[in-house]
Amino acid sequence: EAGVAQSPRYKIIEKRQSVAFWCNPISGHATLYWYQQILGQGPKLLIQFQNNGVVDDSQLPKDRFSAERLKGVDSTLKIQPAKLEDSAVYLCASSLEPGPNSPLHFGNGTRLTVT
Amino acid sequence: AQSVTQLDSQVPVFEEAPVELRCNYSSSVSVYLFWYVQYPNQGLQLLLKYLSGSTLVKGINGFEAEFNKSQTSFHLRKPSVHISDTAEYFCAVKEAVGGGTSYGKLTFGQGTILTVHP
Repeated sequence: EAGVAQSPRYKIIEKRQSVAFWCNPISGHATLYWYQQILGQGPKLLIQFQNNGVVDDSQLPKDRFSAERLKGVDSTLKIQPAKLEDSAVYLCASSLEPGPNSPLHFGNGTRLTVT
Repeated sequence: AQSVTQLDSQVPVFEEAPVELRCNYSSSVSVYLFWYVQYPNQGLQLLLKYLSGSTLVKGINGFEAEFNKSQTSFHLRKPSVHISDTAEYFCAVKEAVGGGTSYGKLTFGQGTILTVHP
């Protein structure tokens, strides 16, 4: 099966600019996650979708971050405006369903550098 | 809320030596436990998981982990490592609450970089 696809692979922007990341999950996976991985830290969940509905966005900085999953398939994560501390790898993952029996499949990530 | 602590940020080891990567967690409820591996410039990949039953779980690539409830630990072990095991390893915990579409979130530790030297 094809894996989780993410683009772009790398992005460099200046602070206060906006940026968007795209994710296409594995076909048939109802649950989609966006994680932020800052250098030297483990991934932190930003938002979780079940189909096209938001299940958990408690750690999403909603004043600057937004995400959508129209039609319950692919998803975009946007940052506007970016800050220096947003420099990180943004990982998208998907699973068949949200329970513990369904493993997360991760994409290769988008590495964002904010200068 | 749950938390995960990986006790070593870096572990260097020689090829064919045994290795143990340590993980402790904190939670007020029952948990599910996972180990993920991240090779350079790749996404995370599931190594193994503990959901219930036998406390010794085996995963891919010859890795195993033991759940110790009294010590709230889930250490990862391999009896003989290869150069190809060089990667970053993440321990993760998910609280055993909810159901349907509502489960506890998966919380990751800060990672342990395993470097296998020839």
